[in-house]
Amino acid sequence: AQSVAQPEDQVNVAEGNPLTVKCTYSVSGNPYLFWYVQYPNRGLQFLLKYITGDNLVKGSYGFEAEFNKSQTSFHLKKPSALVSDSALYFCAVRDMRYGGSQGNLIFGKGTKLSVKP
Amino acid sequence: NAGVMQNPRHLVRRRGQEARLRCSPMKGHSHVYWYRQLPEEGLKFMVYLQKENIIDESGMPKERFSAEFPKEGPSILRIQQVVRGDSAAYFCASSPRRLAETQETQYFGPGTRLLVL
Repeated sequence: AQSVAQPEDQVNVAEGNPLTVKCTYSVSGNPYLFWYVQYPNRGLQFLLKYITGDNLVKGSYGFEAEFNKSQTSFHLKKPSALVSDSALYFCAVRDMRYGGSQGNLIFGKGTKLSVKP
Repeated sequence: NAGVMQNPRHLVRRRGQEARLRCSPMKGHSHVYWYRQLPEEGLKFMVYLQKENIIDESGMPKERFSAEFPKEGPSILRIQQVVRGDSAAYFCASSPRRLAETQETQYFGPGTRLLVL
């Protein structure tokens, strides 16, 4: 079965420190991977995606993610966290039924990132 | 260029009433996805529509839920005879074309938060 796992419900980081939010996936074929961020009572904002090419993907607001095929992981990273990064982060993979032609996403449960001053 | 619009942003219904949620995709987008986010959960795919067609409704509950995307006007997600378990945030996303043909991304609206009393 296709799935996305975010093993940490919450990640706490001090401002200025590097952060990592973990994501692993299970899907048939080559994965299309995404990270979204959700601020309280808001919709999801797209951060970055991996479709093909370089395993290190750079996205919005200084975030990046590394695709690791052997570990089936797509961890989100940022070298120096900001208090304003505090939010709920979702990892997602494209549903590969029908070869991924439908385009709908399978989401993890989300990880709450808390950055303290 | 306005993003994906959803209204209402908040909706309160009593058990047994109908809930009607609207989604206007981004300009030029003809593909719409509906997702539901239950408390403390990630988003779950419900239905994928193209103008005047339901492409994939595999995530929709079999009863009481329906969706449409007419030639003119917004996409509508309709929930009949609501129950307390329907309380959730409902998000709409849009894309300009069938995602298998492109490396495009889905863009999400702000969501409608439904509360059933």
